[in-house]
Amino acid sequence: DAGITQSPRHKVTETGTPVTLRCHQTENHRYMYWYRQDPGHGLRLIHYSYGVKDTDKGEVSDGYSVSRSKTEDFLLTLESATSSQTSVYFCAISESRLAGVISYEQYFGPGTRLTVT
Amino acid sequence: AQTVTQSQPEMSVQEAETVTLSCTYDTSESDYYLFWYKQPPSRQMILVIRQEAYKQQNATENRFSVNFQKAAKSFSLKISDSQLGDAAMYFCAYRSARSGNTGKLIFGQGTTLQVKP
Repeated sequence: DAGITQSPRHKVTETGTPVTLRCHQTENHRYMYWYRQDPGHGLRLIHYSYGVKDTDKGEVSDGYSVSRSKTEDFLLTLESATSSQTSVYFCAISESRLAGVISYEQYFGPGTRLTVT
Repeated sequence: AQTVTQSQPEMSVQEAETVTLSCTYDTSESDYYLFWYKQPPSRQMILVIRQEAYKQQNATENRFSVNFQKAAKSFSLKISDSQLGDAAMYFCAYRSARSGNTGKLIFGQGTTLQVKP
């Protein structure tokens, strides 16, 4: 399995509070992604990063911000959590280069269940 | 914009039997990748199989195979000799292969597969 961890794994917070989710990889993959999973919607892309300090918006980015100060870490922040942000959040990584071979497989972290009350 | 549709929210199969999960997609691109991911109750996203659009041959991984119909934009997953461990939610996903693409995946809504003993 690709070395991806997410923290925390579970979190309950109140409406209006800030929340930061962390994704950490040990694989030196270039791309990192944040998705949210909701019933009936599958996984939807929130933000992604294509390098240190290089990020861009995904399909459902409103209310979220991200930062990537190191290759291995990608943070997702909810500045003021709302009940509509109750979801399961997945981090993913892709694009590895080994011995000149580029692999574009996307690997997922274990997910974080966030509940906003 | 590309879309992926899984029209079967739930499916069931008898152990040792064969089941086919459906997926259709919409794109104007000619070069892309398609994937099936499995999500068991543990929530971990597991890559089951991938198909490159430029390949006419259908991908196969042990008991899992696909029926890729490019003209019809259809990508179904066949599971043979179903096992209890196959019970999970299955997601179909699309990724563009265009140069400069960031590797982000577009997911279908998911199909929950129940395997009956």
